[in-house]
Amino acid sequence: GENVEQHPSTLSVQEGDSAVIKCTYSDSASNYFPWYKQELGKRPQLIIDIRSNVGEKKDQRIAVTLNKTAKHFSLHITETQPEDSAVYFCAASKGDDKIIFGKGTRLHILP
Amino acid sequence: ETGVTQSPTHLIKTRGQQVTLRCSSQSGHNTVSWYQQALGQGPQFIFQYYREEENGRGNFPPRFSGLQFPNYSSELNVNALELDDSALYLCASSLGGTANYEQYFGPGTRLTVT
Repeated sequence: GENVEQHPSTLSVQEGDSAVIKCTYSDSASNYFPWYKQELGKRPQLIIDIRSNVGEKKDQRIAVTLNKTAKHFSLHITETQPEDSAVYFCAASKGDDKIIFGKGTRLHILP
Repeated sequence: ETGVTQSPTHLIKTRGQQVTLRCSSQSGHNTVSWYQQALGQGPQFIFQYYREEENGRGNFPPRFSGLQFPNYSSELNVNALELDDSALYLCASSLGGTANYEQYFGPGTRLTVT
């Protein structure tokens, strides 16, 4: 079945700097790649997603890139702010019923 | 916040007992997916219900079962509870019966098995 690996597990960046989280997936049939942000004690919230017919997508300070050949996708957050501190999950789906999540990256924004 | 609600918020059960968790989907959504999130881990897919039928299942034993009602709300039932069942249980509602539509998560039910 599909497996999603996520790195790093913890990431600390200075406020204002950029953060990059990387994921790989195993099933080449995967075609939908959402990213979720989960703050402590709260529900996961979709922050951006990308489909396999697109290589890059941007929404203000957040961008996601997808390399289908290498089965890699990445989340980029620019000009980080304190409110960006949270756990971020990448995920993959191949258009069936299930989303497979990575194990998460705990992002700390340092003042 | 999404329109997805879950009850109860917290629950403590003893090993071997049974539990029922409930989820009300967002208005207009016909699909509910259930996930188990162990501490420090990503959510793991349990199963999905689409228009009252089970639409897919993850790698969970049969003692995890569910229902979806005509109003698209859903229940997750777990029999013969084990200590490893302690986790945050999340439901997510969406449209369309696949995973490729945005899933809106509820706040979760934290289950502790002692």
